[in-house]
Amino acid sequence: SQQGEEDPQALSIQEGENATMNCSYKTSINNLQWYRQNSGRGLVHLILIRSNEREKHSGRLRVTLDTSKKSSSLLITASRAADTASYFCATDLTGGGNKLTFGTGTQLKVEL
Amino acid sequence: DVKVTQSSRYLVKRTGEKVFLECVQDMDHENMFWYRQDPGLGLRLIYFSYDVKMKEKGDIPEGYSVSREKKERFSLILESASTNQTSMYLCASRPGQTYEQYFGPGTRLTVT
Repeated sequence: SQQGEEDPQALSIQEGENATMNCSYKTSINNLQWYRQNSGRGLVHLILIRSNEREKHSGRLRVTLDTSKKSSSLLITASRAADTASYFCATDLTGGGNKLTFGTGTQLKVEL
Repeated sequence: DVKVTQSSRYLVKRTGEKVFLECVQDMDHENMFWYRQDPGLGLRLIYFSYDVKMKEKGDIPEGYSVSREKKERFSLILESASTNQTSMYLCASRPGQTYEQYFGPGTRLTVT
């Protein structure tokens, strides 16, 4: 079963606009992570937010976490064509051992 | 930088063949993982290992086995390949719980 569900499934924006992706999950977590995947490649870790954190920034990325609503959002500001990729959230479940559970991803397309 | 390598980027096998997918990481990580990725289904965990000679089933272990004889190497074995095992296979490693995962570039396997 999918722990993390991303929304929307696909997003198309113009270069310079902001892109927001959401992730919902079902059970208690230690942390939540966001990954990026360029077409046909492996995933690359973007940012990790711990369960006791509410917001985190890394360059043009901003992640929020609301544990009461079991949801997170990833904001990419001033998007570029090079940001075109799929974005996945992954949850590190409390008592889940050493594995992450990935969602189905959001496909972002940034057009010139 | 952590490096996770996979033995092949593309592989074509026939139904019934025994298939070996190899994964090597160079950062002494305890945990290693095998996922398959299919359109619309996200990443699904096949098997993982948290130590040499240790393995645990993931969400979809049927039709697969694994081997971890050395800490740096984690092999995925398809005992008798079938067409429904055509997929992208991703290997990952992780130093421990609460950390991020590092992915290999993926192997796109086609079974005909």
